[in-house]
Amino acid sequence: GQQVMQIPQYQHVQEGEDFTTYCNSSTTLSNIQWYKQRPGGHPVFLIQLVKSGEVKKQKRLTFQFGEAKKNSSLHITATQTTDVGTYFCAGKTSYDKVIFGPGTSLSVIP
Amino acid sequence: EPEVTQTPSHQVTQMGQEVILRCVPISNHLYFYWYRQILGQKVEFLVSFYNNEISEKSEIFDDQFSVERPDGSNFTLKIRSTKLEDSAMYFCASRGYRDGGEKLFFGSGTQLSVL
Repeated sequence: GQQVMQIPQYQHVQEGEDFTTYCNSSTTLSNIQWYKQRPGGHPVFLIQLVKSGEVKKQKRLTFQFGEAKKNSSLHITATQTTDVGTYFCAGKTSYDKVIFGPGTSLSVIP
Repeated sequence: EPEVTQTPSHQVTQMGQEVILRCVPISNHLYFYWYRQILGQKVEFLVSFYNNEISEKSEIFDDQFSVERPDGSNFTLKIRSTKLEDSAMYFCASRGYRDGGEKLFFGSGTQLSVL
């Protein structure tokens, strides 16, 4: 079936270092969304990308959608302790089905 | 910001019992979802619901599961005969419109423990 994969599964960084998580789908996606889940919390929407090759920025976060609309990345510049959590990409694979990747869990060492 | 509310926050039940998880989506939203997350694992799609019927469902959503929108505000997930492997955090989500933004708003979840 349709799968959305993410790497790495875990990432430990020193505060101030950069962080990147990569998302890959087995099929072409109509759009991709990114969510953040703090420990003990629920997923919170960060952004949606729709167009092939799209790049969006939110302060220190940069999101990219691949040309083939099958992969995406989230890059955080100069991580802070508030960035701790699990970052999920989520792809809309059909009419009304949004599939989440397994997530990348980010730890930031102060 | 408007919120999706879920009750109860924790539910403990015996294997084989029926449970109903309740959700109040954001008031002007039209699309509703249930996801579940087993501890530390991925957020798994269960079902989507629009216009009083199921739009899509996953392989997990078998005959033991059902959803209902009994009135204009509530959206429920029923598990008829719970199994140990149904233990998970269940998240309800809703969204407001089809085109453009498809942002999912998640509730805080119901932690279901099946003993």
